[in-house]
Amino acid sequence: DIQLTQSPSTLSASVGDRVTITCRASQNINTWLAWYHQKPGKAPRFLIYKASRLETGVPSRFSGSGSGTEYTLTISSVQPDDFGTYFCQQYDSYSYTFGQGTRLEIK
Amino acid sequence: EVKLVESGGGLVRPGGSLRLSCTASGFTFSSYTMSWIRQSPRKGLEWVSSISGGSVDLHYSASVNGRFTISRDNAKNSMILQMERLTDEDTAVYFCARDPATGFDYWGPGILVSVSS
Repeated sequence: DIQLTQSPSTLSASVGDRVTITCRASQNINTWLAWYHQKPGKAPRFLIYKASRLETGVPSRFSGSGSGTEYTLTISSVQPDDFGTYFCQQYDSYSYTFGQGTRLEIK
Repeated sequence: EVKLVESGGGLVRPGGSLRLSCTASGFTFSSYTMSWIRQSPRKGLEWVSSISGGSVDLHYSASVNGRFTISRDNAKNSMILQMERLTDEDTAVYFCARDPATGFDYWGPGILVSVSS
């Protein structure tokens, strides 16, 4: 299975900060990567697909980039609703896999 | 509005069976691959199984292959996960999700499956 490693595991930020989360794959996943945001007790929310394409309705402060084995999710100006946990997921091949998550906390 | 709702979870003893259902509305169900994903504190998010719109392509994770069976009834807009020979490693919140081949764009709220004696 393709392993996804996210860093950092925890990130502290203030409202208005720019933050970046990295997701590294154990092999080339050809930009078949999605990002999700999850709040406690809720299902994940789909944010980005194909590494950089924003899902409809997702604010433009979110952006994704990357290729090969390294990908990033950036929030240009963190808002109060953005706190929670972020996950990357590869869909290059079954079995699909998720990163372990990055928890974004209020500083 | 796309809506997915899971049902059938609960407490089951090790070695037991459980049947999860996912009922969909708000989209043409038969046009989409559907998937089950589970989440536990120990393993995080884990993809479990997927089924194509016409039930031709079925996929399972190695951890459930041979024990779980995925199926769907397009006439009823529903998907089933039949789980057999459950162990404590199967304890998790189970989500059903729509899979348009770009990631999982809609998720149900999830349902808890707890395997314990």
